[in-house]
Parts: sequence; C-alpha cells; structure tokens
Amino acid sequence: DQQVKQNSPSLSVQEGRISILNCDYTNSMFDYFLWYKKYPAEGPTFLISISSIKDKNEDGRFTVFLNKSAKHLSLHIVPSQPGDSAVYFCAASPHSGYSTLTFGKGTMLLVSP
Amino acid sequence: DTAVSQTPKYLVTQMGNDKSIKCEQNLGHDTMYWYKQDSKKFLKIMFSYNNKELIINETVPNRFSPKSPDKAHLNLHINSLELGDSAVYFCASSQVRGHEQYFGPGTRLTVT
Repeated sequence: DQQVKQNSPSLSVQEGRISILNCDYTNSMFDYFLWYKKYPAEGPTFLISISSIKDKNEDGRFTVFLNKSAKHLSLHIVPSQPGDSAVYFCAASPHSGYSTLTFGKGTMLLVSP
Repeated sequence: DTAVSQTPKYLVTQMGNDKSIKCEQNLGHDTMYWYKQDSKKFLKIMFSYNNKELIINETVPNRFSPKSPDKAHLNLHINSLELGDSAVYFCASSQVRGHEQYFGPGTRLTVT
C-alpha cells in the first residue's frame, strides 16, 4: 500500500516555464514533507521541506505548497532550467525523533531548452 | 569533501556469495540508514542506527545484517545472495531529530 503517491511518472516542460510536480499521501500521521532531487547514478539530494504547520515554503526558484485537508503537496519550479532535469521524489515523515521517511516513486522532469 | 560515501559503487556477484557494502559519513550525524531502491524505483528503508544502536529494522531477510562500528560508519553485510537482492542500495545520515537525510551515491548490486 503506497502511502506516498506520485501519479505522474514523467513531466516535460520548456525552459523558462513553470514545472509543477504533485504528490499525494494517505497517512494522517505524516506531518513533515520533503522533496528530493536525483540525478542518474547519484544519491537523492535534499531540495526543500515543509512542516504541516505551514502551507507554503519557498527557497529561490523552488516553492512547496501543502494542502493538508486534501493530503496533497506540490513542488513548483519557476523558472525551470535544463539543469533541473532529474527525478524528483516526494517523501513524508511522521512526528518522530528518528525521521522515518516514506518515499513516493518519483517523477522524472525533463526541461528542454 | 564527500559527506556520505559508499564503497563499492558497483558490485557484481554470483548467487550464494556473501558481500559487504561500506558507508561513511563526515557530517557528524548521529543517525544512519540503509535504503533499497528496487526495480520499481521505490526507495524503502531497511535499517536505521542511532549512535551505533539499531532503532529501525524493517521487514528484511535475516541474510542482511547491518553493523555500525562507530556513529560515522554503517556497513551492510549480505549473506547467501539471491537474484532478488539485485538493487541499488543507498546509505543516508541525519541528525538525531532532523528530518533531512543526506544520501550517499548508492551501490548498484547485481546478482547473477
């Protein structure tokens, strides 16, 4: 049973446009959410996170939105750049001192020039 | 400087063999993890250690045994390798109460 779902396996966007990656979760105990970026043959790299007490967190070109009632979060990248082409993983964690992360399956983003 | 490193990066071996993967972090973190990314691309937690003590042990065959000689190292030993063990194994670390985990580059294990 997938507790974190990324229903779009891939997304193609033109350079300069907005990329929107979506993530849904089912576990009501999750209260911390993260996005990771992964290039081929490398480990996932932490990108941005959001706590359930917020509905938006912004870091440069990256913004994460959280809709707790819908159990949905999204990552916006504006403007998209070719170097953003990678697999993006959504992850969620319950309130825990040991930070067990549950990952989605990932969305491959391709940003074309 | 590499924050979380793993060796080897690639490992090809035959069924029935025993192999180890090593992980080291220089971030000063107290907690380390092993994840498995299978053919379906899911990243799943296998083990977590905090200050050399096992704190999370998901449903993993007994053939997998993690060992933490100190809080900067977490090694994974696999006995009697099976075809289904073929995957990419990632090591990660975090502060004890931090949510952000920092991952190593992964070890691609192929069992033939």
